[in-house]
Amino acid sequence: DAGITQSPRHKVTETGTPVTLRCHQTENHRYMYWYRQDPGHGLRLIHYSYGVKDTDKGEVSDGYSVSRSKTEDFLLTLESATSSQTSVYFCAISGQGGVSYEQYFGPGTRLTVT
Amino acid sequence: QKEVEQDPGPLSVPEGAIVSLNCTYSNSAFQYFMWYRQYSRKGPELLMYTYSSGNKEDGRFTAQVDKSSKYISLFIRDSQPSDSATYLCAMSETSGTYKYIFGTGTRLKVLA
Repeated sequence: DAGITQSPRHKVTETGTPVTLRCHQTENHRYMYWYRQDPGHGLRLIHYSYGVKDTDKGEVSDGYSVSRSKTEDFLLTLESATSSQTSVYFCAISGQGGVSYEQYFGPGTRLTVT
Repeated sequence: QKEVEQDPGPLSVPEGAIVSLNCTYSNSAFQYFMWYRQYSRKGPELLMYTYSSGNKEDGRFTAQVDKSSKYISLFIRDSQPSDSATYLCAMSETSGTYKYIFGTGTRLKVLA
């Protein structure tokens, strides 16, 4: 267990509403990531963070924003949810003790946009 | 063409068989290679990682990288029903951004 929690674990929301997903780590890893996983596409990077207040876009960042005000928390916000954002969202961490290439994943958040 | 290709399966084998899982890739800059196991409705779990070419063994698992062919493999010896899961490969360049490209996963079923 890499000390990663995600909340909520399941959420159903309506089109057009804002949604925020939270990732919390207790391992003091430098890097944090948000992925979505969809059938036929695998894991795709949405955004990642390489430090507090330092973030960058991944390959599917449109419609998503992130924030990291503390080392341990990385928030993913869907400003106005759409049905195409129905997915399973995973947070990941890496970068403890200078070893950056090993990524550890959280349990996931299953989001349904109706 | 995707940067990383992986046969989705499902791959069904009898208990005790040797399993070979593979990924091909197109980006010659990839240096770090990882294998993850994902059980249904769970997060991916890191199994193996290798840097550059060569083999790495850990218990029943062996990871192999052939950079000249842009091909990586994961072998599972003496497969068990508990090995039934989806196996994802992932790769990264040495760019310092530590962004990873994942395969779509191969679903493995080990039959008792």
